[in-house]
Order: sequence, then C-alpha cells, then structure tokens
Amino acid sequence: DAGITQSPRHKVTETGTPVTLRCHQTENHRYMYWYRQDPGHGLRLIHYSYGVKDTDKGEVSDGYSVSRSKTEDFLLTLESATSSQTSVYFCAISAGSGTDYEQYFGPGTRLTVT
Amino acid sequence: DQQVKQNSPSLSVQEGRISILNCDYTNSMFDYFLWYKKYPAEGPTFLISISSIKDKNEDGRFTVFLNKSAKHLSLHIVPSQPGDSAVYFCAARRAGNQFYFGTGTSLTVIP
Repeated sequence: DAGITQSPRHKVTETGTPVTLRCHQTENHRYMYWYRQDPGHGLRLIHYSYGVKDTDKGEVSDGYSVSRSKTEDFLLTLESATSSQTSVYFCAISAGSGTDYEQYFGPGTRLTVT
Repeated sequence: DQQVKQNSPSLSVQEGRISILNCDYTNSMFDYFLWYKKYPAEGPTFLISISSIKDKNEDGRFTVFLNKSAKHLSLHIVPSQPGDSAVYFCAARRAGNQFYFGTGTSLTVIP
C-alpha cells in the first residue's frame, strides 16, 4: 500500500470556522491532490500540487485554499466552513511521470459542517 | 459541466457472468484513462488504465476497451466474483496531470 495518510479522519465543525485537513505521504511523489466526494457528483478535484509551493485550482476550488511547504505534506484549508462543504475529502498522490499516471488515495476525511 | 460521465448508477450481475461498466467523455484532449474501485469507507484503489493510443488493455479478469471516435470506454470483468461488488469510477487525464472522474457505477455481484 502506498504510504498516504489523512488527518483527521472525522471532524464536525460549525459554520464559519476555519478547518485544515492534512495529507501526508511517504512515497516522495511529485503530485498531490485534494478531491471531494458527494452523492451524484463522484470525485471532484479541489486543488492539486505539482511540487513544493506549486499549486493550482481544480473544478471546485472556491472556498478552499492549499499549501505545500514540504514534499510530503499537502494541507487543505476551508477558510470559513459552510454546510455545502460537508463532504468526504480524499487526498491522492501520483508520480505523474512517463506512463505512470495512477493515483493512490488516502482513506478519506469525513467532514460535517453544522 | 461533467466531462466524464457514467450513466449507469448501478449494475447487478450474477456470479461468473460478465460485468460491463461504461464511461463516456467529452474532451478530446484526454490522453489517458483509468478505472478505480472503491469500497465503502475506503479510498479508491487503482484497477486498470489505458493510453489514448491503444484500444484495449487486459489485466487478468479485467479488460478496458477504448473507442476514441465514440469517446467511450468500457471495463469488462470476466468472470465476476462477489468480491468485485464495489463502486467503480472511471477517470480521464489531461495535460498537467489533472484528472476528471465520473460519478461512479455501483456493481453488485450476486452469488
């Protein structure tokens, strides 16, 4: 199994509070991704990173920010949580080189915003 | 706008028979396609992939077919086993290593 962990695994927070989710990898992969999974929408890309301090927006980036100060850590911050951000969040990593494009996913973080 | 679509939310198949999961895409710039399997309360796991320059890739019981002219790919599982019961996502890659996922198909293999 790819070495990828997410913390926390579960979180309940109130509307308007900031929340930070952490993704940690031990594979030294270049690419890291944050997705959210919602019924009827599958997995949607929030932000991704292609190197330390190099990040870009995905399909559903509004209300989220990310940071990557080390190769192994990719943080997702909800600046002011809203009920629409209640979801399951998955981090993924990928070597992204040659033809090796497969992604390895973390176990997910279930976030509930009340 | 959903660039990768899985129009069948669910599929039931008898054990031992073939499962066929379908996926359509709209962006002709996608150059790589992947299938993932997901069990409840776990992250997706990679299953099989195919480059846009190929039309078939096989790995054991799993075969992926790509029809570029129709912008369609399918995953065949033969023979289906109860342990294959899961949600299957197709995904497509575009330049810059961005990936777009379908909404998933829940496969149930009936013993």
